Amino acid sequence: KAGVTQTPRYLIKTRGQQVTLSCSPISGHRSVSWYQQTPGQGLQFLFEYFSETQRNKGNFPGRFSGRQFSNSRSEMNVSTLELGDSALYLCASSPEGILSAGGYEQYFGPGTRLTVT
Amino acid sequence: GQQLNQSPQSMFIQEGEDVSMNCTSSSIFNTWLWYKQDPGEGPVLLIALYKAGELTSNGRLTAQFGITRKDSFLNISASIPSDVGIYFCAGQLAGTYKYIFGTGTRLKVLA
Repeated sequence: KAGVTQTPRYLIKTRGQQVTLSCSPISGHRSVSWYQQTPGQGLQFLFEYFSETQRNKGNFPGRFSGRQFSNSRSEMNVSTLELGDSALYLCASSPEGILSAGGYEQYFGPGTRLTVT
Repeated sequence: GQQLNQSPQSMFIQEGEDVSMNCTSSSIFNTWLWYKQDPGEGPVLLIALYKAGELTSNGRLTAQFGITRKDSFLNISASIPSDVGIYFCAGQLAGTYKYIFGTGTRLKVLA
C-alpha cells in the first residue's frame, strides 16, 4: 500500500499571502489529521477530519482551516500568512477507528516545509 | 498547546548500549504510539499500544503501556548508528480522537 503523500514538499511564501497544502491518505483510511511542527512548540494538533466532517480542532486561529473530500483527500489552508507560520506541516491518516475500542494508529506523511518571508 | 512530558530530552550513547525513554502525563490515555523522526521527514510509527500493561516488541524495540494509563516507556536494546533520530511518544486522550505528542527524545549513537 502506498503511504501518506503530501504536496508540495517545500513552499516559500510572503507574509500576507495564503497557502493550500494537500494530503492524500493511505488507501482505505478515512481519518486525516493535520499537525504543525516547530522547534519551539513541537508537534501541535491542528484539526482532524473524518468522512468529510471536522471531528476535532486544536487551538489555532481561524486563519487555519481545512476540508476533506469524498475520496478522503484533505487540504489545509492558511490565510494571511505570518512569519510564525513557518513550520513543517504534517498530515497523518488513520483507519476507521471505534472510539470505544480504545484507539487506532496514525501514519504520517513526509510533511510540507513552509517558509514565510 | 498540550504536550506530554517526555524524558530524557537528549541522549548520547555508545553503539551497543541499551536506551530507555518515557512519557508521563496527568491525563489518562487509551492508546500510546511511539514514533521515530529523521531530519526533514515525517515521523515513522514504531510501536502501537492499546491496553494498560501491554508490552510490545518490534525487533530491538520494546514499549510498554503503563498500568495507570498515564505513562509509557520505550526501550532500545543494543543500539546501532541508524537508531539516531528523534523519538516521540503520542497518547490518545481517553474519550477523544485527539493525540497529544511528547516533546521528543533526541538520540545520538557514537560508534
